[in-house]
Amino acid sequence: DAKTTQPTSMDCAEGRAANLPCNHSTISGNEYVYWYRQIHSQGPQYIIHGLKNNETNEMASLIITEDRKSSTLILPHATLRDTAVYYCIVLTGNQFYFGTGTSLTVIP
Amino acid sequence: NAGVTQTPKFQVLKTGQSMTLQCAQDMNHNSMYWYRQDPGMGLRLIYYSASEGTTDKGEVPNGYNVSRLNKREFSLRLESAAPSQTSVYFCASSEASAGKETQYFGPGTRLLVL
Repeated sequence: DAKTTQPTSMDCAEGRAANLPCNHSTISGNEYVYWYRQIHSQGPQYIIHGLKNNETNEMASLIITEDRKSSTLILPHATLRDTAVYYCIVLTGNQFYFGTGTSLTVIP
Repeated sequence: NAGVTQTPKFQVLKTGQSMTLQCAQDMNHNSMYWYRQDPGMGLRLIYYSASEGTTDKGEVPNGYNVSRLNKREFSLRLESAAPSQTSVYFCASSEASAGKETQYFGPGTRLLVL
């Protein structure tokens, strides 16, 4: 299983960019990196995913290093509603393996 | 379009009782999944169904059974509940074709086993 390592917690000022790092040094060449978030105890919400290239959607940007051993999720203008636990996941086969994620707190 | 729905939202059981958690999706997805989440932990896969008529064990299948009733519905059964099964249970679904593995999650069922 490709494991991921994330910081346990981070703070970010409201309106600033939140940069959430993730290490996945054992990732295989055809495995995607996914990001989800979980607000309170709700069901995880899909944010973005990528394989090799950087990706952007209406929620966030995903930067994957050239060697694919790490990635960064960027929330360009964090709001209080972005306070959540963020999970970086490597899709292995057809299974997601969730770690404990990064608890992001957006501070007013 | 409701997405993934789960029933019940909350349940309290006594040790040894049985119950079935229900999950349904209206996105015409091929694959469905059951996860559990313990306090302070990430989600762990219990069982999944890659397509109608098939089921496979995930990371933590012991003490559970599943049924893929049809393409829309995937149920999780606890035959004899134990306190260790106190958790939040999430159902998810995905199209599961190449490049479309994104999973969409339901709101969860909170289970307390006394």
